[in-house]
Amino acid sequence: DIQMTQSPSSVSASVGDRVTITCRASQGINSWLAWYQQKPGQAPKLLIYAASSLQSGVPSRFSGSGSGTDFTLTISSLQPEDFATYYCQQPNSFPITFGQGTRLEIK
Amino acid sequence: EVQLVESGGGLVKPGGSLRLSCAASGFTFSSYSMNWVRQAPGKGLEWVSSISGNSNYIYYADSVKGRFTISRDNAKNSLYLQMNSLRAEDTAVYYCARRYSGSGTYTDDFWGQGTLVTVSS
Repeated sequence: DIQMTQSPSSVSASVGDRVTITCRASQGINSWLAWYQQKPGQAPKLLIYAASSLQSGVPSRFSGSGSGTDFTLTISSLQPEDFATYYCQQPNSFPITFGQGTRLEIK
Repeated sequence: EVQLVESGGGLVKPGGSLRLSCAASGFTFSSYSMNWVRQAPGKGLEWVSSISGNSNYIYYADSVKGRFTISRDNAKNSLYLQMNSLRAEDTAVYYCARRYSGSGTYTDDFWGQGTLVTVSS
């Protein structure tokens, strides 16, 4: 199984800050990585697919990069609605696996 | 508009059974693989099972293999998860998600709102 490890597990930041979340795969997964945002009581929402492609309708302040084993999600200027939990996922190899999540909190 | 609506959750005793449904609309259901993903209270996301559009390919997480069965009825635009021999650790919100294939990869691009399954005596 491919293990996905996110860091940090939680981060505190202020509106306007730039935030970067890291995801590491236990083996190479090319660019087969997705990022999801989840707010309390809601279903996950797709932000980024294929490591760096922005899903339609997602603000351009979100960006993704990386390939192989190391990936990042960057939010360039935090907005109040961005405070949520973020998950990475490797979707191509079964079993499909998620990172443990990064909780983004307001400082 | 793509919509996925889960139903069938509830309270069940350990060892019991439950069948979840996911009603799909707004897209050609038979053209897409579908996933079940669950989330235990206060925990992260866990993939449960996947089924291809024609049901030829089916995959399960080890944690549910032999106890859960995924299926679909393309004529009814519906996805199912039959859950048997339920355990306390199966307590979770269960989401269905559309598995989109493009750009050389897959993504779960649309999700339902989830249905809560509670396994407790």
